[in-house]
Amino acid sequence: AQSVTQPDIHITVSEGASLELRCNYSYGATPYLFWYVQSPGQGLQLLLKYFSGDTLVQGIKGFEAEFKRSQSSFNLRKPSVHWSDAAEYFCAVFYNQGGKLIFGQGTELSVKP
Amino acid sequence: GAVVSQHPSRVICKSGTSVKIECRSLDFQATTMFWYRQFPKKSLMLMATSNEGSKATYEQGVEKDKFLINHASLTLSTLTVTSAHPEDSSFYICSAILNGLVSTDTQYFGPGTRLTVL
Repeated sequence: AQSVTQPDIHITVSEGASLELRCNYSYGATPYLFWYVQSPGQGLQLLLKYFSGDTLVQGIKGFEAEFKRSQSSFNLRKPSVHWSDAAEYFCAVFYNQGGKLIFGQGTELSVKP
Repeated sequence: GAVVSQHPSRVICKSGTSVKIECRSLDFQATTMFWYRQFPKKSLMLMATSNEGSKATYEQGVEKDKFLINHASLTLSTLTVTSAHPEDSSFYICSAILNGLVSTDTQYFGPGTRLTVL
């Protein structure tokens, strides 16, 4: 069955430190991959997406993600975290046969001064 | 950018009553909208896909008679929780896409509606 796993439920990093949020997926075909961020009181916002081509994808707010087919991963990275990055982050895979997005369980990011 | 709103943002109702949640695309026409349910500390679960002018497609396990979805215009979809029970308490989120390509279109999400059934 198709699934998306975000192994880290909660991560705390210091402001200015680098960040990597993990995402692994289970899907037979070439996946369409997404990262969304959810802040309190706001809708999920798309950070970046990967469909094909260059496996390193640049997104908004200084985020990037790398698609690694051999590892079935699509990890999100940011070189220097800002306090405003504290939020819930969701990885998602488009399940073509089902015609829908499948979301991971989310990783809550806390940023300490 | 594309903006999706939801109304109300928060609603409390008594068990047995019905509650309607509205999802609007404010600056674009959305042929397809989606309704999700999010439990605390859990992922978003797709409930149904709503296409303008046609019946919604419900995910397995979602009671279509309980969660009525109407997509009467290109900018409005409604979710009505009928005869609500405490177990229906949850965070309901809608999203919409611009170009009708479900696979590759960015989904624009509303801010969500917190439903509490007493």
